Amino acid sequence: EDQVTQSPEALRLQEGESSSLNCSYTVSGLRGLFWYRQDPGKGPEFLFTLYSAGEEKEKERLKATLTKKESFLHITAPKPEDSATYLCAARMDSNYQLIWGAGTKLIIKP
Amino acid sequence: DGGITQSPKYLFRKEGQNVTLSCEQNLNHDAMYWYRQDPGQGLRLIYYSQIVNDFQKGDIAEGYSVSREKKESFPLTVTSAQKNPTAFYLCASSIRFGQGAGGAYNEQFFGPGTRLTVL
Repeated sequence: EDQVTQSPEALRLQEGESSSLNCSYTVSGLRGLFWYRQDPGKGPEFLFTLYSAGEEKEKERLKATLTKKESFLHITAPKPEDSATYLCAARMDSNYQLIWGAGTKLIIKP
Repeated sequence: DGGITQSPKYLFRKEGQNVTLSCEQNLNHDAMYWYRQDPGQGLRLIYYSQIVNDFQKGDIAEGYSVSREKKESFPLTVTSAQKNPTAFYLCASSIRFGQGAGGAYNEQFFGPGTRLTVL
């Protein structure tokens, strides 16, 4: 069964404490791995698309990487404004649909 | 500014009542989607449309209906047949699957959401 699993469910960090969020996937013929940020009560905001294993993309304090089984969202020296839920989703070879993970809630304490 | 708008932001439904959620986009996207988000779960696809006057059921279409009469608009009706409609509803749009430089990898862009509560 095609599935996307995110871990941990929640992560509390001190400001400046770097860490990584994990998105593991078991989908046939990956055609894109997507990362989004979602603030409470708002719609998800697009961050990155990764297409193939070994690819990396960066935006400010965030860097997304992709292997054949999982993707990581690395956050370097986070600030309180980075607090949000981070969602990942995978698109399969032959399907319009995205398969979504349940998200990781990131809390950065000042 | 280009974007996706959803209205209302909050909606309350009585038992046995149908309600309609609005979604409008001015991004000139062909494809539009409706998702439901519940706490602790991933987004679940209700309906999607790749082109005007055509739409397909997603994973949880029962109790919902849609129309796509205009490229810009994709309203969702939550009918009385939906037994547990309390959730956060998200509308999204994208370039049609296979179009553009992104091809099959086109990103979806989301509206601000509508929170529906059953009284």
